[in-house]
Amino acid sequence: GAVVSQHPSRVICKSGTSVKIECRSLDFQATTMFWYRQFPKQSLMLMATSNEGSKATYEQGVEKDKFLINHASLTLSTLTVTSAHPEDSSFYICSAPIPGQDSNTEAFFGQGTRLTVV
Amino acid sequence: GQNIDQPTEMTATEGAIVQINCTYQTSGFNGLFWYQQHAGEAPTFLSYNVLDGLEEKGRFSSFLSRSKGYSYLLLKELQMKDSASYLCAVMDSNYQLIWGAGTKLIIKP
Repeated sequence: GAVVSQHPSRVICKSGTSVKIECRSLDFQATTMFWYRQFPKQSLMLMATSNEGSKATYEQGVEKDKFLINHASLTLSTLTVTSAHPEDSSFYICSAPIPGQDSNTEAFFGQGTRLTVV
Repeated sequence: GQNIDQPTEMTATEGAIVQINCTYQTSGFNGLFWYQQHAGEAPTFLSYNVLDGLEEKGRFSSFLSRSKGYSYLLLKELQMKDSASYLCAVMDSNYQLIWGAGTKLIIKP
C-alpha cells in the first residue's frame, strides 16, 4: 500500500536554529501534502497545504516566513522551521491523500517528527 | 462554526466491547474518518464512512447517520494494544479534514 515516509522522527535543536522535516511519498505521486502540528493531548491542527509546483496554502494564524514549505517534486515535500524557539516544540505530521480517489478519501500519514527546541 | 465532539476519555475491560461516539457540525460533508493514534506516533487510518450505515472491519466497526450528524466506532474483543487515542475527523465541503480532539481509550485487564 501507499507509504508516506517522514524524517527525522525526533530532533532536538538549539533556539534560533532552523530544522528541516522531509516527507516523501514512496510508491505514489503526491501532488498535495498536508502538514499538521499536534500539541500534547490536543488534536491535529492543519498548518498548511503544499501543492507540487506552486506556493503552499497556509492556515490562518500560521506564519509563512517561519514555517517554510517546499514541494519541489511529486514525491517530496519539506517543512522548515526557521529560527526555532521553545514554543515551536511540538509533534509535526505530514499526510498525503491517495491520488485517483474521489474527494481525497483517504490520507496516509508520515511517522511524525517530534521537535524539541532547547 | 465547525465542530467535532467526542468524549475525552473512556475506560473499558480487556475482552469487552466499547463504543466511541462522535457528533459533528460542519460546512458540508464528504465523509467521516476514524483514526487510531498511539502516544508519540502518527495516526493510523481505521475507517471511512460516507453513506449511512455500518461498516465492519474485523474487530472494528464504524457507523454513520448523516441526518443526525453522528458516528460511532465500535471496538470488540478489546485487547491491551487497543489502548490509544481515537480521532474522529470529517471532510468538509472544501475537502479539508476537521478533527475532533480525540478520545483516549484506556483498557484494563
